[in-house]
Amino acid sequence: ETGVTQTPRHLVMGMTNKKSLKCEQHLGHNAMYWYKQSAKKPLELMFVYNFKEQTENNSVPSRFSPECPNSSHLFLHLHTLQPEDSALYLCASSQELGVGANVLTFGAGSRLTVL
Amino acid sequence: SQKIEQNSEALNIQEGKTATLTCNYTNYSPAYLQWYRQDPGRGPVFLLLIRENEKEKRKERLKVTFDTTLKQSLFHITASQPADSATYLCALARTPVTGTYKYIFGTGTRLKVLA
Repeated sequence: ETGVTQTPRHLVMGMTNKKSLKCEQHLGHNAMYWYKQSAKKPLELMFVYNFKEQTENNSVPSRFSPECPNSSHLFLHLHTLQPEDSALYLCASSQELGVGANVLTFGAGSRLTVL
Repeated sequence: SQKIEQNSEALNIQEGKTATLTCNYTNYSPAYLQWYRQDPGRGPVFLLLIRENEKEKRKERLKVTFDTTLKQSLFHITASQPADSATYLCALARTPVTGTYKYIFGTGTRLKVLA
C-alpha cells in the first residue's frame, strides 16, 4: 500500500444524496490534495490543503465541499451531484508545498457513479 | 493555452524490447517534470523526477530525458516485461511567480508489453 488510504473504493449515489469520501495518510506529510480523473481526460486538481489550511480551490462547484480536520485526514463532502461528476476521485499527499520537487503519493481512489 | 500531449493510443511492444513514451508540451516552460505509473483501479505511483537543467535521469531500467528546446520528455523502459504494462503519466510544474508549484498532468499513454 502507498500509505494513503481512501474509502469507500466505490460509491453509487443519486443526484439528491449526500455522501462523503474519506482520505487518510500515514506518511507524516503536511500537504493533501483532491484530484478528479475522468476517462480520456488529464488529472484535474480540485483542492489543496497545507497544514490543514486550504490553499487552493480550483474553481470547483460548491456541490463539492472539502474538509481537512488535521494534516492526516481529508474529506470530500458530496451533495446534489450531477451525472457528469461520475469519475475516479484521487487523494494525494506530499511532504510540503512550495517545493518544485514535490512528489505526490496517491491513494487508490474512490470510483464515484452518480445516477 | 498550456497543453501537454501524450500519445493517447496504446503502445504495444514485444517483451525484451525498449519502450519509449513521449510527453510534448506547448506554451509552457516547466522547471520540473515527473513521470508516474498508473495501473487499472489504482492511483498513480511516482517513478522519476527530472529538473529543467538536467538532460537525463536513470533509475534501474527506466530512463527519462528532458529537452527544453524541443519541449519534449522521453520515457524509456529497457528490457520491458509484461509487468511493465500500465498507463504512464507525465506531469509538469513551472516556477511560480507567486504561490506554490502546481503540477499539470497529461492524459497518459497505455503501454502493453506482449509476452
